[in-house]
Amino acid sequence: AQSVAQPEDQVNVAEGNPLTVKCTYSVSGNPYLFWYVQYPNRGLQFLLKYITGDNLVKGSYGFEAEFNKSQTSFHLKKPSALVSDSALYFCAVRDGSGTYKYIFGTGTRLKVLA
Amino acid sequence: NAGVTQTPKFQVLKTGQSMTLQCAQDMNHEYMSWYRQDPGMGLRLIHYSVGAGITDQGEVPNGYNVSRSTTEDFPLRLLSAAPSQTSVYFCASSYYRQMNTEAFFGQGTRLTVV
Repeated sequence: AQSVAQPEDQVNVAEGNPLTVKCTYSVSGNPYLFWYVQYPNRGLQFLLKYITGDNLVKGSYGFEAEFNKSQTSFHLKKPSALVSDSALYFCAVRDGSGTYKYIFGTGTRLKVLA
Repeated sequence: NAGVTQTPKFQVLKTGQSMTLQCAQDMNHEYMSWYRQDPGMGLRLIHYSVGAGITDQGEVPNGYNVSRSTTEDFPLRLLSAAPSQTSVYFCASSYYRQMNTEAFFGQGTRLTVV
């Protein structure tokens, strides 16, 4: 079965420092991986997705994600955090076994401290 | 572009009442789905559809019904509301077989059952 895990419920980082939000996945076949962000009282917004062959994927708002096949990870990164990046972040995988469902992790709350 | 539109944004129900959460998309997406979001549990899939006339259950379908008579609309029905159904509900849509396409989310419906 396809699954994703976000091992950290919360990540705290100082403004201006680099940030990493972790995600590991388990899939059979090719991985179709996504990151979303959710601001308070809003829906989920798409940030970026893995594209086959690109180990470093660039997305919206200066975010990027590093794909590592051997470690089955797809960590979200940003070189310099902003207070406005504080939000809930979700990693997701799309089921390639025939249902086409999106399966989400439990989310990581990012808090950027001024 | 409207994208994915959910109504209502807020609703309070009494135990045992029924209601329908509306979801409409204008992107001609074949795939539509409903999730519920609860603290610490991420997004859990309730029902999904890969096209008009086709629906299937997700991981938490009990107490909910769906139908898909058109490509644009995917309503979620609560048959007899229970306090355990207090949650935030999100509708999402995407293309069906293009696995690397992201899902688009509505703004959510916050439901309280008293």
